[in-house]
Amino acid sequence: AQSVTQLDSQVPVFEEAPVELRCNYSSSVSVYLFWYVQYPNQGLQLLLKYLSGSTLVESINGFEAEFNKSQTSFHLRKPSVHISDTAEYFCAVSRGGGGSNYKLTFGKGTLLTVNP
Amino acid sequence: DTGVSQDPRHKITKRGQNVTFRCDPISEHNRLYWYRQTLGQGPEFLTYFQNEAQLEKSRLLSDRFSAERPKGSFSTLEIQRTEQGDSAMYLCASSEKQGAVGGYTFGSGTRLTVV
Repeated sequence: AQSVTQLDSQVPVFEEAPVELRCNYSSSVSVYLFWYVQYPNQGLQLLLKYLSGSTLVESINGFEAEFNKSQTSFHLRKPSVHISDTAEYFCAVSRGGGGSNYKLTFGKGTLLTVNP
Repeated sequence: DTGVSQDPRHKITKRGQNVTFRCDPISEHNRLYWYRQTLGQGPEFLTYFQNEAQLEKSRLLSDRFSAERPKGSFSTLEIQRTEQGDSAMYLCASSEKQGAVGGYTFGSGTRLTVV
């Protein structure tokens, strides 16, 4: 079984500041890793994912995450945030490889609040 | 196709009543999932359909819960004899055959309040 720990429930930052949202996972097998974002009153949207290959993955809106196998982490970073990045961010893990990789295990979420 | 639709958006019911939620996935997605999200928690997996076959049910899904996906299109989630602990956001998602790898598309959810 897999588990995910998001170390911060809330992260307040000022606009244009850098931010890091932390995520650690636990698994006895290989995993796929995901970050989802949930804006108010909307469903979760996939932000980025790590499946294999380069450990640094990027999204189209400036976020990036780095898979660190030795530290079992997948932290999300952005060098300069905007007010519109205010949302809840969920880290998730699924079993890697074929078979039962359909099921996601989510962390509790981190509420990112960007203040002017 | 505008994405995954869920109906209703909000439901308030009295304890002991039955409720049913509907999910319309993206039409070309053959996989459909139900998750439950309680306050302060991330979504938790409830069940998974591939076409019309229900392939996995979580232990969270007690006997009072039943999900169907007739003809492999829309899905319904029914809760019988609701309890206050059932209050949560019920999320539906769909994906193509790659499963989670390709990324889920989530609906906006149905918020259930049991009073």
